Amino acid sequence: IQLTQSPSFLSASVGDRVSITCRASQDINSFLAWYQQKPGTAPKLLIYAASTLQSGVPSRFSGSGSGTEFTLTISSLQPEDFATYYCQQLNNFPLTFGGGTKVEIK
Amino acid sequence: EFQLVESGGGLVQPGGSLRLSCAASGFTFNSYDMHWVRQVTGKGLEWVSTIGSAGDTYYSDSVKGRFTISRENANNSLYLQMNSLRAEDTAVYYCVRGDCYGITCYTGVDALDIWGQGTIVTVSS
Repeated sequence: IQLTQSPSFLSASVGDRVSITCRASQDINSFLAWYQQKPGTAPKLLIYAASTLQSGVPSRFSGSGSGTEFTLTISSLQPEDFATYYCQQLNNFPLTFGGGTKVEIK
Repeated sequence: EFQLVESGGGLVQPGGSLRLSCAASGFTFNSYDMHWVRQVTGKGLEWVSTIGSAGDTYYSDSVKGRFTISRENANNSLYLQMNSLRAEDTAVYYCVRGDCYGITCYTGVDALDIWGQGTIVTVSS
């Protein structure tokens, strides 16, 4: 199953609302997770089951979607949110990741 | 505190072998599926292999037949034996815990929730 993330690069300002889309090549139900990765560090789980916020993750992050189209939204971008975001499908093996979306400061 | 610590990375020649280890602590290791995920510097994430809590194993096509995942529950340890290494295997390798937060997970997990800091594998002559 291929995951296509868009955009691959996003330039935004603190306080902006941003959305990242992840499209699956076939139905993955709601078995989609989102991760945040900052340079030099391991990825961090943000959202699983398409829309469930992992414990400790700020509520400005939200996820939606099912089937083949999913969205990660950050309601008000904070300085610590500038990072690369990846989606991942866990419906079938091989588990696959999207290509990533780098969020940079405008 | 949950922790995963990888070791065993290094420089190896093409065609050589390397064994990665991952020491787990802070959770009941034998109850969880465990995974290896790798990342080429500056590139995206690539799932490599999974071993279920029952010992079932899965591999990406890119490593099938060359890599072997295993676990030693008595020592809370995960391993990745890598043989016939190629330049394209050069990457940071992460040890990752998987969990099924839902009622049913077709792959056994619906999230990779704890990640190690990674160990670097370089395949070069």
